[in-house]
Amino acid sequence: AQKVTQAQTEISVVEKEDVTLDCVYETRDTTYYLFWYKQPPSGELVFLIRRNSFDEQNEISGRYSWNFQKSTSSFNFTITASQVVDSAVYFCALSEALVGNEKLTFGTGTRLTIIP
Amino acid sequence: GAGVSQTPSNKVTEKGKYVELRCDPISGHTALYWYRQSLGQGPEFLIYFQGTGAADDSGLPNDRFFAVRPEGSVSTLKIQRTERGDSAVYLCASSLVDSSGANVLTFGAGSRLTVL
Repeated sequence: AQKVTQAQTEISVVEKEDVTLDCVYETRDTTYYLFWYKQPPSGELVFLIRRNSFDEQNEISGRYSWNFQKSTSSFNFTITASQVVDSAVYFCALSEALVGNEKLTFGTGTRLTIIP
Repeated sequence: GAGVSQTPSNKVTEKGKYVELRCDPISGHTALYWYRQSLGQGPEFLIYFQGTGAADDSGLPNDRFFAVRPEGSVSTLKIQRTERGDSAVYLCASSLVDSSGANVLTFGAGSRLTVL
């Protein structure tokens, strides 16, 4: 069975600080996808990134970066120079790599609050 | 439409009543998903449609829950004899299947169901 653990329930940082959100996953599949979604107060889940299990290169997108470590089954997310607009609940998710099926297993989320 | 539309945005009902929640996916998206998000939790998979057929309904909690997608576009999630434990936000998502094998889900804002 698949499982995603986000041990940090809530994090608060002062604006402009860097913050890392942790994600640890479990799966028996050799091929899988990992995701991060952002859920602002409006409630709509916003896609941030998808990473294939064969691609362990770290990725950077503006102030966002992701560190995928297959050896420790972790897919951590770092926000650099945080801003108030980054305040949201962030979910890490995992799916099997089946064509056309994005059946996601989500973690319980990390509520991030950026203090002005 | 431009995004995934869900109606109603809020539904309050009494225990034992029947409820229908509607999802209008992005035009042309062949895959449609229903998830349920309880307070403080990550979304949990309910059912997945590929076209008109339910390709995977393994997440439906019991036979009080049923979903249809008769013309391969709009979907309705139906809950019979509602119970207080059914209270949650029901999220719909759609995606376009392509040759890459894994696709990004676009989520709607959800339908918040409260069973009194």
